[in-house]
Amino acid sequence: SAVISQKPSRDICQRGTSLTIQCQVDSQVTMMFWYRQQPGQSLTLIATANQGSEATYESGFVIDKFPISRPNLTFSTLTVSNMSPEDSSIYLCSVARGGGGGDTQYFGPGTRLTVL
Amino acid sequence: GQQLNQSPQSMFIQEGEDVSMNCTSSSIFNTWLWYKQDPGEGPVLLIALYKAGELTSNGRLTAQFGTTRKDSFLNISASIPSDVGIYFCAGPKAPISGGYNKLIFGAGTRLAVHP
Repeated sequence: SAVISQKPSRDICQRGTSLTIQCQVDSQVTMMFWYRQQPGQSLTLIATANQGSEATYESGFVIDKFPISRPNLTFSTLTVSNMSPEDSSIYLCSVARGGGGGDTQYFGPGTRLTVL
Repeated sequence: GQQLNQSPQSMFIQEGEDVSMNCTSSSIFNTWLWYKQDPGEGPVLLIALYKAGELTSNGRLTAQFGTTRKDSFLNISASIPSDVGIYFCAGPKAPISGGYNKLIFGAGTRLAVHP
């Protein structure tokens, strides 16, 4: 498994501002992922962050809105830019670890964002 | 695109009852993952399945990887109040290629347990 921490755990922000969310892992990992969970909904992948390369964004998500940094193998940040109330969600980071077949991910506790 | 259909959407049961939920996909999967999310927390991995037909237990939880590779189920036996939460199935977005793939999630099953 993996021990993952996120900061902040929650925040209330004003429309038009930006918030940077930090994700720290207890050991080096190749791939980190950022997900969004809108109220009452399931998880949706925003982007994949590999160390040393640009993040890869999923359809419907763009770098200008959700810039991501991955400066080393244990840390990543996601910024939610120019926020609107529609950005109110839980933002989660996850890391991939190989299981018996490969595709296993472990999640951080999430950052609960409310935009007023 | 790929979708995971998870059912039921919600369940209200009495403590001590058994629970069953399932996920189906139109695509073949090589991995099925089951997560539980408590309020205010991130999803916690319960069981990971990697082979068709695989049956795996974790305490009172049992999950199976369907033989068609297009479905999976999760059973909880003798439910207790702390089983309350949202249960998600998940699988790799590129179902067959393997490796560290992006995940897609089912819509979740919301479980309430009455003492």
